[in-house]
Amino acid sequence: DTGVSQNPRHKITKRGQNVTFRCDPISEHNRLYWYRQTLGQGPEFLTYFQNEAQLEKSRLLSDRFSAERPKGSFSTLEIQRTEQGDSAMYLCASSLSVAAANYGYTFGSGTRLTVV
Amino acid sequence: AQSVTQPDIHITVSEGASLELRCNYSYGATPYLFWYVQSPGQGLQLLLKYFSGDTLVQGIKGFEAEFKRSQSSFNLRKPSVHWSDAAEYFCAEPLYNTDKLIFGTGTRLQVFP
Repeated sequence: DTGVSQNPRHKITKRGQNVTFRCDPISEHNRLYWYRQTLGQGPEFLTYFQNEAQLEKSRLLSDRFSAERPKGSFSTLEIQRTEQGDSAMYLCASSLSVAAANYGYTFGSGTRLTVV
Repeated sequence: AQSVTQPDIHITVSEGASLELRCNYSYGATPYLFWYVQSPGQGLQLLLKYFSGDTLVQGIKGFEAEFKRSQSSFNLRKPSVHWSDAAEYFCAEPLYNTDKLIFGTGTRLQVFP
């Protein structure tokens, strides 16, 4: 098992373009989380999945953001019409069980997005 | 609102010196507490976690943390810092009755030779 994998590691895009990030969780983990981290801040929750079902979305997730986990395995996070304020590190994490926050997630290495 | 506070934004220590990073949590009924480390450009790695029981928790890389309910604190310590410990450190706890973690703003550790 190679842990949580995120691709790409870095993405530079022009304002207004669409971007998509991918996360491959630990294979047996049924929960998958997306967090966003801006410079000088701790990670903030965006959304999470139980298998293929998206259970919760943060208010931080505007309608330009969409996340999917079509077969309950990997997940994608798409940002449409990117803005400079979207520049951040996007972190994916996975876990095995309910109440996983009580036991800690396994995070990936993140995708750093820069919007120019 | 529930929060995690890390009062020190930036700490500088000499290699070999001892280290203590402070963390205060607000939701304390049955706290689950975590310390994560983030090297530059990398994701988060779990250093240690507290659920219950012994208030002194041992983690990876020689780190330990002490839970003090009376002070709502969960400070991270290391007796002798190595240059490779230079990173950003985050304290976290679950948001009450959810499966989400809330993080402090982090403490950046710089180590001088």
